[in-house]
Formats: sequence, C-alpha cells, structure tokens
Amino acid sequence: KAGVTQTPRYLIKTRGQQVTLSCSPISGHRSVSWYQQTPGQGLQFLFEYFSETQRNKGNFPGRFSGRQFSNSRSEMNVSTLELGDSALYLCASSLGAGQWDTQYFGPGTRLTVL
Amino acid sequence: DQQVKQNSPSLSVQEGRISILNCDYTNSMFDYFLWYKKYPAEGPTFLISISSIKDKNEDGRFTVFLNKSAKHLSLHIVPSQPGDSAVYFCAASVRDSNTGKLIFGQGTTLQVKP
Repeated sequence: KAGVTQTPRYLIKTRGQQVTLSCSPISGHRSVSWYQQTPGQGLQFLFEYFSETQRNKGNFPGRFSGRQFSNSRSEMNVSTLELGDSALYLCASSLGAGQWDTQYFGPGTRLTVL
Repeated sequence: DQQVKQNSPSLSVQEGRISILNCDYTNSMFDYFLWYKKYPAEGPTFLISISSIKDKNEDGRFTVFLNKSAKHLSLHIVPSQPGDSAVYFCAASVRDSNTGKLIFGQGTTLQVKP
C-alpha cells in the first residue's frame, strides 16, 4: 500500500508570493491533517479535513488555508508569504477524523521563503 | 501559549541504559496523549499512546507514564538502542471532541551512544 505522498518535496519562494502544497493520503483514508514544523515551535497543528470539510483549524493567520477534494487529496495554500513561513509542512492521513494514533505522516514539503 | 511542553531539547544516553523523555501539559481537558518518533527527512511515526483513565501503558521496550495531578507524562525506553536516536514528540488531544486538535510539544532529540 502506498504511503502518504507530498509534492513538491522542496520549494523556494520569495516574500509576498503564494504557494500551494499537495498531499495524497493513503488509499481509503478520508482524514487529512496538516502541520507546520519549525525548530523553535516543534510541530503545530494547522487544520484537519474529513470528507471535504474542515473539521478544525489551529492558531494560524488567514493566509493559511486548505481544502480537500472528493478523492480525499488535500491542498494547503499560503498567501503573501513571510520569512517566518519557512518550515517543514507535514500532512498526515487516517481512516477517520481524530484518529491520531493511526495517522500516517508524509515526508513533508520543505518551504524556504527568501 | 504552549499547552504541551518538552523542556529538554536534547538527551544523550548510553546504549543499554534507560532513556526518559518528559512532557508537561497545561490544559486539564486533555484526555489522550501520544508519543511520536521522527527520523531526519521522514515524517513522524506513532509510537505509543495513553488515555487519561490509565497511568501506564507498555509496548515492548516503550512505556508511557501519566501523572494527571502533575499534568506530566514521560516515555521510558528500556533498553535504549542506537536505532532509537531520533526526535521524540509528545502530543495531546481532547479525544471525544468533535473539534479536537492534536497539540504537540517542541520535541526532544535523543541520542543513544553505542
């Protein structure tokens, strides 16, 4: 069974630009969560989607948004990039919502904002 | 407001000895706690969890202890092996909430020396 895939793996953008990251969950998984990892803050929850609906959102500004498609694939978008948005963005999928002990993470997308 | 804290950024242990990783939380509503392990260039993987109705959960070499009155949990690895060298994240959630999110600590880097 294929794991969680994230594209692209690496991305370099400049301040003010916008970026879209993609996550393909494990086949059959309907929940996708997104996290931001930075050295000082650790892993921070961005949002969780289940059956195309955003179930919850972390404490991030409105520049961070996401969506989930009918095939459970998910995208997250960051508009008006800031230097502080440089981070590893991880997505994770699970069969159902809130099933944290059975969520599988992708390898992440490393975003660098110059 | 960091609701889940791992106050030790790093820990070094000799192979065969016990590793103890600590985690503190502030939100008394949390009722489900998890530990994840992360190797470089990979996403985190689930290690072990504990519900607030228990004070201990074991899985092979890994044991998690929960002290609800102190709002503290710890992960014990016995015996430690070089392959355990990784970043360990603790996380907490309100399990039965329809809007639950997973809150992570900042992580502790464990180095197990041969």
